[in-house]
Amino acid sequence: RKEVEQDPGPFNVPEGATVAFNCTYSNSASQSFFWYRQDCRKEPKLLMSVYSSGNEDGRFTAQLNRASQYISLLIRDSKLSDSATYLCVVTPSGGYNKLIFGAGTRLAVHP
Amino acid sequence: NAGVMQNPRHLVRRRGQEARLRCSPMKGHSHVYWYRQLPEEGLKFMVYLQKENIIDESGMPKERFSAEFPKEGPSILRIQQVVRGDSAAYFCASFFSTDTQYFGPGTRLTVL
Repeated sequence: RKEVEQDPGPFNVPEGATVAFNCTYSNSASQSFFWYRQDCRKEPKLLMSVYSSGNEDGRFTAQLNRASQYISLLIRDSKLSDSATYLCVVTPSGGYNKLIFGAGTRLAVHP
Repeated sequence: NAGVMQNPRHLVRRRGQEARLRCSPMKGHSHVYWYRQLPEEGLKFMVYLQKENIIDESGMPKERFSAEFPKEGPSILRIQQVVRGDSAAYFCASFFSTDTQYFGPGTRLTVL
């Protein structure tokens, strides 16, 4: 079983749509949780950290459920510029910040 | 403050040659991670280095791959006797003391 699993995608949505991505992780001792965004042939960039209390950044809302080992990302009012691959990322317990990446979910927003 | 720099951005090697990938972390950062991204896959951890020390190399293939981060100069990821399966994007990331890792633009290695 993969350490981090994501919806395979791709998600093709019109502008203005709301889209949700899901992610599960296998190591219950995982410490930190993130969503990264990766544009085609570019480096991943941090979108937001994810906390159990849930957190919001503009049109983006992230949620963590430690009991279910489940992470979600909600994007409201999708823009063309949101088209990218979204990577679910966790760090294991152990004192340093090795990142464990999911394979990513591709989002394509069309006019 | 310059970001993480990697060079070359693109590298083409024939099977059996050596590949050297360089990573200069952000100013003041003394921790470097290397990740590999195979086509259509997520990034996979390879190695974590601090200046002059390898902290965790559990993601490195057992043969042909090595990494260093000398006291002076960039971190180097070295792949000896490259094979077609080594074709991938190699990213390095640096951080100082927070959770945030800053990624370089990557080196795309193509093995012919």
